[in-house]
Amino acid sequence: KAGVTQTPRYLIKTRGQQVTLSCSPISGHRSVSWYQQTPGQGLQFLFEYFSETQRNKGNFPGRFSGRQFSNSRSEMNVSTLELGDSALYLCASSLEGFTDTQYFGPGTRLTVL
Amino acid sequence: KNEVEQSPQNLTAQEGEFITINCSYSVGISALHWLQQHPGGGIVSLFMLSSGKKKHGRLIATINIQEKHSSLHITASHPRDSAVYICAVPLGSNYQLIWGAGTKLIIKP
Repeated sequence: KAGVTQTPRYLIKTRGQQVTLSCSPISGHRSVSWYQQTPGQGLQFLFEYFSETQRNKGNFPGRFSGRQFSNSRSEMNVSTLELGDSALYLCASSLEGFTDTQYFGPGTRLTVL
Repeated sequence: KNEVEQSPQNLTAQEGEFITINCSYSVGISALHWLQQHPGGGIVSLFMLSSGKKKHGRLIATINIQEKHSSLHITASHPRDSAVYICAVPLGSNYQLIWGAGTKLIIKP
């Protein structure tokens, strides 16, 4: 069974630009969650999607948004990038939600210049 | 007070030592996750448990729901075990995970 994939793996953008990151979950998984990790920090929860609906949301500004498609693939978008958005963005998929084993993708490392 | 607390924050040990990492939580839960993050950033789920004990290779995880406490043990530790170990608890299937701050483990040869 293929694991969770994230694209792109690395990305360099400049302030003010926008970016879209993609996450393809394990086949059959309906829950996809997104996390931001800055150097030396723990994982900060962004949001979780389940069956194309945002079910949970963390404390991030509205510049951070996401969506989930009918095949469970998910995208997250960050508009008007700021230097502080430089981070590793991780997604995780699971069968139904947070009481199931979480499978993480390798992450997308975003650098904002 | 954080809802999930891990101890110790940092742990350095010699190869072969028995390692224990603790996780205490204040919320009522039905399951607890232990995960491992290597320096490259990848995160791997080690265990999800709701009662008793689970064992995988040299790793053992225990949980006491009544005492709201879980431990992760590593027997015969090896330098490749060097990583950050994180516990996380879900408030429910539909609710986000509450993450511990992580324990940075370094095993010296």
